[in-house]
Amino acid sequence: DAGVTQSPTHLIKTRGQQVTLRCSPKSGHDTVSWYQQALGQGPQFIFQYYEEEERQRGNFPDRFSGHQFPNYSSELNVNALWLGDSALYLCASSYGTGGNSPLHFGNGTRLTVT
Amino acid sequence: AQRVTQPEKLLSVFKGAPVELKCNYSYSGSPELFWYVQYSRQRLQLLLRHISRESIKGFTADLNKGETSFHLKKPFAQEEDSAMYYCALTTAGGTSYGKLTFGQGTILTVHP
Repeated sequence: DAGVTQSPTHLIKTRGQQVTLRCSPKSGHDTVSWYQQALGQGPQFIFQYYEEEERQRGNFPDRFSGHQFPNYSSELNVNALWLGDSALYLCASSYGTGGNSPLHFGNGTRLTVT
Repeated sequence: AQRVTQPEKLLSVFKGAPVELKCNYSYSGSPELFWYVQYSRQRLQLLLRHISRESIKGFTADLNKGETSFHLKKPFAQEEDSAMYYCALTTAGGTSYGKLTFGQGTILTVHP
């Protein structure tokens, strides 16, 4: 079992560009959550997807959007990139939205905006 | 709004010494608290959560609602405990376990 996999591992973009990050959940998991981790900070919740719908959202602008596919994999899209979007983006998966399934995290995608 | 505070960014102890990583939270409702750990070059992983009341790798944490704290403790630290530790909170009620509020983390270093 590969666990949660994220691609790419590193990405460099220019201000104003758009980026798409991808996540495959752990086998058996159907819920995907995305987090942004700035340098020296704890992860910050962006949103959660379950049954192909956004179920919860953190305090992030509409430039951040996502999608979940029928196979439970997910994408995070960020439009009109700012320098401040430079961070490690973590994907976490779980089973259902209830409390019995702990989050499993991927290794993250390091996004640098220049 | 929920908030988690880990007052120590760095904590150093010697092997065999007791260790306590502090975590304070603010939330008006009934929270669920977790400790996550990230070892060098590994992904973030769950260490323990207060509802299971279990000891993992010798670590324990007690939720103190009066002091709004969830400190992580281990009586005898080991070198392999060196890692980044995050305290995290979610609201109880079943639908919010994907939405964790994390503290800023504490880097624990255990010296031989």
